[in-house]
Amino acid sequence: KQEVTQIPAALSVPEGENLVLNCSFTDSAIYNLQWFRQDPGKGLTSLLLIQSSQREQTSGRLNASLDKSSGRSTLYIAASQPGDSATYLCAVRPSAGGTSYGKLTFGQGTILTVHP
Amino acid sequence: DAGVTQSPTHLIKTRGQHVTLRCSPISGHKSVSWYQQVLGQGPQFIFQYYEKEERGRGNFPDRFSARQFPNYSSELNVNALLLGDSALYLCASSLYFQGPYEQYFGPGTRLTVT
Repeated sequence: KQEVTQIPAALSVPEGENLVLNCSFTDSAIYNLQWFRQDPGKGLTSLLLIQSSQREQTSGRLNASLDKSSGRSTLYIAASQPGDSATYLCAVRPSAGGTSYGKLTFGQGTILTVHP
Repeated sequence: DAGVTQSPTHLIKTRGQHVTLRCSPISGHKSVSWYQQVLGQGPQFIFQYYEKEERGRGNFPDRFSARQFPNYSSELNVNALLLGDSALYLCASSLYFQGPYEQYFGPGTRLTVT
């Protein structure tokens, strides 16, 4: 059974800092990994999608890396801003086959607060 | 283009009642998935549908059921509501259920069971 863990559970940083969020998963047989952002009480916004054959993806101030063999991914946020405050979730999708092909398994999230 | 839409936004029900939640996928998307997110936790997979057929089911009791319509919209039904069913219910759509396709999430339906 796939398990996804995110560390730290919460993070508070001053504006302008660079920061790293960590995600680990127990089963390396994944198709891809997604990072999401969730504002309080809202739905999920996809930030980055990394296919299993890729090592990293970048979008603006965000960079996500994937090391499938070790079961780890990191989300790097450069020059953090108060508007980045939200919960960040990572999710993995299993490799092809079986009835759980489309299922995303999520971590519990990292609550990020960026204060001015 | 409109994203994934869900209705209603909020819902309050009493224990033992039945509830129906609705989801409309992004135009052209044929796969819909449902997730339950209890406060403070990550979303948990409930169902995935593609072309009106169930393609995946999570570890939820039979009180939970779903269906997909010819226009690819979907309903999630929960019978005999329990207090523990209080959660944010998220719908996600993707082009297909196989392949390197992203899942796009809707804003969710907040269900409160009293």
